Amino acid sequence: DGGITQSPKYLFRKEGQNVTLSCEQNLNHDAMYWYRQDPGQGLRLIYYSQIVNDFQKGDIAEGYSVSREKKESFPLTVTSAQKNPTAFYLCASTAGEPYEQYFGPGTRLTVT
Amino acid sequence: GQNIDQPTEMTATEGAIVQINCTYQTSGFNGLFWYQQHAGEAPTFLSYNVLDGLEEKGRFSSFLSRSKGYSYLLLKELQMKDSASYLCAVMDSNYQLIWGAGTKLIIKP
Repeated sequence: DGGITQSPKYLFRKEGQNVTLSCEQNLNHDAMYWYRQDPGQGLRLIYYSQIVNDFQKGDIAEGYSVSREKKESFPLTVTSAQKNPTAFYLCASTAGEPYEQYFGPGTRLTVT
Repeated sequence: GQNIDQPTEMTATEGAIVQINCTYQTSGFNGLFWYQQHAGEAPTFLSYNVLDGLEEKGRFSSFLSRSKGYSYLLLKELQMKDSASYLCAVMDSNYQLIWGAGTKLIIKP
């Protein structure tokens, strides 16, 4: 079955630690995205990548970093510079028109 | 700035019909999406409108008026499993999705 996997589903970290969230897709999609979702707010774009070895900052990239070394993988690192990292993180991908985005199950990160 | 507005919460009765509205102001328009999101889960695609008019898909329909910057999602024959948040998103001129905050739909028996 094709799809997007994110692991782990729940992640707990101490303040000051970097943490990497994984996102893998076997849909052969070119474009991948990372969103953050906070209660009562819409999805906010952190980073996106339209092709291997290339990525762009979204609206809230500060304190985050990504890499895109393989088409299938788009890991997100939440650094200690991110002031409020506790949130629900969603990875998505799209093949092209009509640009419907397919989402992974999400990772809920709690930093204390 | 870019803005998507939808009601925060709505309540409806099982078996009834509900309409969830979405108004938008964006830099360009390349389509409007509706997604369903159950609590703690990822959004799942419901519909896509790029031309004016009504798109029907089973119990769900979505309408778009580009001149008014307006869309609605119509849910018929409501079931308890339809209790979820419904997210409106517009694709802007850069082909980026701008998301509304979502409408939490509560279905009562």
